[in-house]
Amino acid sequence: DQQVKQNSPSLSVQEGRISILNCDYTNSMFDYFLWYKKYPAEGPTFLISISSIKDKNEDGRFTVFLNKSAKHLSLHIVPSQPGDSAVYFCAASAYDKIIFGKGTRLHILP
Amino acid sequence: DTAVSQTPKYLVTQMGNDKSIKCEQNLGHDTMYWYKQDSKKFLKIMFSYNNKELIINETVPNRFSPKSPDKAHLNLHINSLELGDSAVYFCASSQSSVGNTGELFFGEGSRLTVL
Repeated sequence: DQQVKQNSPSLSVQEGRISILNCDYTNSMFDYFLWYKKYPAEGPTFLISISSIKDKNEDGRFTVFLNKSAKHLSLHIVPSQPGDSAVYFCAASAYDKIIFGKGTRLHILP
Repeated sequence: DTAVSQTPKYLVTQMGNDKSIKCEQNLGHDTMYWYKQDSKKFLKIMFSYNNKELIINETVPNRFSPKSPDKAHLNLHINSLELGDSAVYFCASSQSSVGNTGELFFGEGSRLTVL
């Protein structure tokens, strides 16, 4: 039962361009949505979050958009940099649980 | 100084053996977790403890037994290891029980290979 879905296993983007990572969810009880970034052989690290009462949250080069009616969120990275190459996990929080998606591997091309 | 540290980082063992993975956090957090990332890459929650008390147990086989001697430590003991237990196990902590911002701090992971 995939409550959080990241349908693109990988994405390649030219350095300097915008990276857009997408995520869909099924449970309308989720109240926080999060993005985590993971480098090889490391644990995921928190990147940015958004409350279900908002539709946008921005932090530097990272912006998360939430469309509750579509049960969809996206992470925009602009401009993309080589250090952004990593796996990005979308996650959603309800009560005491965080549910993660499968991740999208982002490659930033020189 | 590592915030969430888990040992060992790699573990290779035979089926049927019993093994433990240890986790410690120095962030002063109240809540700790074990997540499993299997071959399909999903990060699935297994357990969470808040101040040494179990609050989430996600239908994990009872061969898996978490132990929290204090709120800074959450160890995972696995009995009678099976091939399907091969995965990367991540320990994590949060300031309080998740449900506010959901920000978790993860360890580096422990890769368990069962032969």
